[in-house]
Amino acid sequence: DGGITQSPKYLFRKEGQNVTLSCEQNLNHDAMYWYRQDPGQGLRLIYYSQIVNDFQKGDIAEGYSVSREKKESFPLTVTSAQKNPTAFYLCASSMLETDNQPQHFGDGTRLSIL
Amino acid sequence: GNSVTQMEGPVTLSEEAFLTINCTYTATGYPSLFWYVQYPGEGLQLLLKATKADDKGSNKGFEATYRKETTSFHLEKGSVQVSDSAVYFCALSTRGSTLGRLYFGRGTQLTVWP
Repeated sequence: DGGITQSPKYLFRKEGQNVTLSCEQNLNHDAMYWYRQDPGQGLRLIYYSQIVNDFQKGDIAEGYSVSREKKESFPLTVTSAQKNPTAFYLCASSMLETDNQPQHFGDGTRLSIL
Repeated sequence: GNSVTQMEGPVTLSEEAFLTINCTYTATGYPSLFWYVQYPGEGLQLLLKATKADDKGSNKGFEATYRKETTSFHLEKGSVQVSDSAVYFCALSTRGSTLGRLYFGRGTQLTVWP
């Protein structure tokens, strides 16, 4: 079955450590997105990518980095510069032919601070 | 700019009650509108969508009508079930350089009691 796979499901970060969240899709989608979800704040866009080797900052990119070396993969690194990383992180993907294509979401990674 | 405003929750209903979750939007251009649902510990799933004025999206007994004159996309269900308990997100996407990007409301928590 086609879909989006996020791993790990739970992740713990120590002070000063960088951690990388994995996102892989086999839907042949062009665009991929990373969102951060905090209680009561909905989803906020961190980064998005419309094609391989290209990506744009979203609304809260500070303290995060991404790469898009393959169409299927869009890993997110939470760097030590992100001072409040505890959140639920969601990856999504979509086609781009028209503006009404829905986004498909993974099951998320919950990041906590040790 | 683009933004979505949802009614604040939590919403608590008895089984078989009528549900309305209000959603209004502001958008540059002509947006497509979506409702997503998130069950505990999971990612978001597309519930329904509408791409032009007066379109009605429907799925699993849920409905929403794209009202351009009132910039609204309210979610309704005639008879809710315990299994409908989840968080519901209204979202919009627009054309242009940010093709495919979604703007989300803050989400509305729905709890249905038997």
